[in-house]
Amino acid sequence: ETGVTQTPRHLVMGMTNKKSLKCEQHLGHNAMYWYKQSAKKPLELMFVYNFKEQTENNSVPSRFSPECPNSSHLFLHLHTLQPEDSALYLCASSQVWDPAYEQYFGPGTRLTVT
Amino acid sequence: DQQVKQNSPSLSVQEGRISILNCDYTNSMFDYFLWYKKYPAEGPTFLISISSIKDKNEDGRFTVFLNKSAKHLSLHIVPSQPGDSAVYFCAARGGGTASKLTFGTGTRLQVTL
Repeated sequence: ETGVTQTPRHLVMGMTNKKSLKCEQHLGHNAMYWYKQSAKKPLELMFVYNFKEQTENNSVPSRFSPECPNSSHLFLHLHTLQPEDSALYLCASSQVWDPAYEQYFGPGTRLTVT
Repeated sequence: DQQVKQNSPSLSVQEGRISILNCDYTNSMFDYFLWYKKYPAEGPTFLISISSIKDKNEDGRFTVFLNKSAKHLSLHIVPSQPGDSAVYFCAARGGGTASKLTFGTGTRLQVTL
């Protein structure tokens, strides 16, 4: 497997469920990111991890909880979500924690909250 | 308040002609600009970038122009090919948060035969 992979690709969950999104990068990068893309809105940065340490939390509600156990893996734990959280969640990685460096994106997880 | 705007949600161009995708920004602190391309069911992929100290950057068929006084950048694709059909996102770095990219909403380019 090469590049950035994300599982699952699609997820439907109720508001009381707990689920997790997984991201894995096979590029040897040091920085990893979670983005949210809602319909007709720009990509919004949620979290940044650099060398496994969280460096950015872009005012994300606590019902989203990230975890980065090592530089290759990133999780987004979800609990008690709201219907407005339905969106495409994209994971990305880059060699260096600097937006000027190319970010490699996974295909995303399409989340629907019912 | 959107700091990076792509006012054309879609654009249709004939194969072989020039495609021009536009992007406007409001924050004069942005110092680096990037274009990403996204195909359906795939993540965005990096296309080309430009520093604010330059006004043009070229890579094969793709050229990005930056007009700082107008706070405007554009992506030119010449000649356009059917495989260029995708959504193109403009993004900017800086604006007080050096570690963050601010994205536009994207322009869907359709290259027709």
